[in-house]
Amino acid sequence: NAGVTQTPKFQVLKTGQSMTLQCAQDMNHNSMYWYRQDPGMGLRLIYYSASEGTTDKGEVPNGYNVSRLNKREFSLRLESAAPSQTSVYFCASRLAAGELFFGEGSRLTVL
Amino acid sequence: SQQGEEDPQALSIQEGENATMNCSYKTSINNLQWYRQNSGRGLVHLILIRSNEREKHSGRLRVTLDTSKKSSSLLITASRAADTASYFCATAYNTNAGKSTFGDGTTLTVKP
Repeated sequence: NAGVTQTPKFQVLKTGQSMTLQCAQDMNHNSMYWYRQDPGMGLRLIYYSASEGTTDKGEVPNGYNVSRLNKREFSLRLESAAPSQTSVYFCASRLAAGELFFGEGSRLTVL
Repeated sequence: SQQGEEDPQALSIQEGENATMNCSYKTSINNLQWYRQNSGRGLVHLILIRSNEREKHSGRLRVTLDTSKKSSSLLITASRAADTASYFCATAYNTNAGKSTFGDGTTLTVKP
């Protein structure tokens, strides 16, 4: 059971570079989420997709874009990375308002 | 601002003792969920309590919900060293799959 798979697991970028974090789930969940977690902090919601074809901003959307490619995949793009975007990024999915299933995280460092 | 706020920020106990952590939230919810995060890992769901429930049990976990006070508590009984982790609450606002927001968590250390 793969669950929620994120790639890459680690990435180092220079300021101004762009990259895309990929997320895929195999549980047929309708909703998918991107969170970031800074050291010693909780999770901050960046964007979410309640269903295929829709996306909405969360608490901290600035500097990010998302694409719900299909029901399985939800990608997060940093167009011009900044040091403030150094964080651990988590993708999650769920059915309706039930429990969230998380990936193992993508650790991003922006120099 | 955060919807869920955990308290205390950190908790250190001896193995065998009980651990209680609290969560407060600001607006009406459909349900509240507790998650656990081991160091360097993703979050794992522990238990979900709906707004019309007052108490729920799962193994050594007991969760209460007081909607009048907009608060919840998680009790871990007979703690073990393996319970050492960070614990987070998250709220869901409605029955559809909307957003869930998290607090900053309680870091629990259980000493053997």
